[in-house]
Amino acid sequence: DAMVIQNPRYQVTQFGKPVTLSCSQTLNHNVMYWYQQKSSQAPKLLFHYYDKDFNNEADTPDNFQSRRPNTSFCFLDIRSPGLGDAAMYLCATSRGNSPLHFGNGTRLTVT
Amino acid sequence: AQSVTQLDSQVPVFEEAPVELRCNYSSSVSVYLFWYVQYPNQGLQLLLKYLSGSTLVKGINGFEAEFNKSQTSFHLRKPSVHISDTAEYFCAAGGKAAGNKLTFGGGTRVLVKP
Repeated sequence: DAMVIQNPRYQVTQFGKPVTLSCSQTLNHNVMYWYQQKSSQAPKLLFHYYDKDFNNEADTPDNFQSRRPNTSFCFLDIRSPGLGDAAMYLCATSRGNSPLHFGNGTRLTVT
Repeated sequence: AQSVTQLDSQVPVFEEAPVELRCNYSSSVSVYLFWYVQYPNQGLQLLLKYLSGSTLVKGINGFEAEFNKSQTSFHLRKPSVHISDTAEYFCAAGGKAAGNKLTFGGGTRVLVKP
């Protein structure tokens, strides 16, 4: 089945230690999104790629970066994680006006 | 700019009873509307969508929603819930003007009791 896959499902990192979360898709969708979801809150868009074009949300901290080396893969890099960055990180894809397809998320813990 | 408001943060309901989750949106342009469900420690799964056409939309798992343009609402309903419907439900709005980015409501936690 075509899907959005996020690895790992659970990630533990230390305060200030860089971490990378990955997302891959087999849907051949041209748009990929990264959302941050804190406990009991709605997902918040960090940025998205429309094809190769990177679109950052105005309030996304500089600490968060992203890479999309090809259509299938997208990475979220957190350069210096703080305790406040502990959250579920959701990757999603879409094409045109199709609904977003979400992965199962990566739950990040910062110690 | 778009905004989405889910009026109830939690809805307790007994098994086999009906449930309605309320969602209101505001937008100066045409919107597409969605309901997603999130089970614990999982991603969001699409329940149903409204893009155009019939205002009554049927989705998976017996859910349906009605788009009401005059009231700017998109309420979600199910006539008879199961224990397995216990989850968080998110209403979202998107559209061409937003570049297909979704704006989410704050979520409604449904707790189905036996």
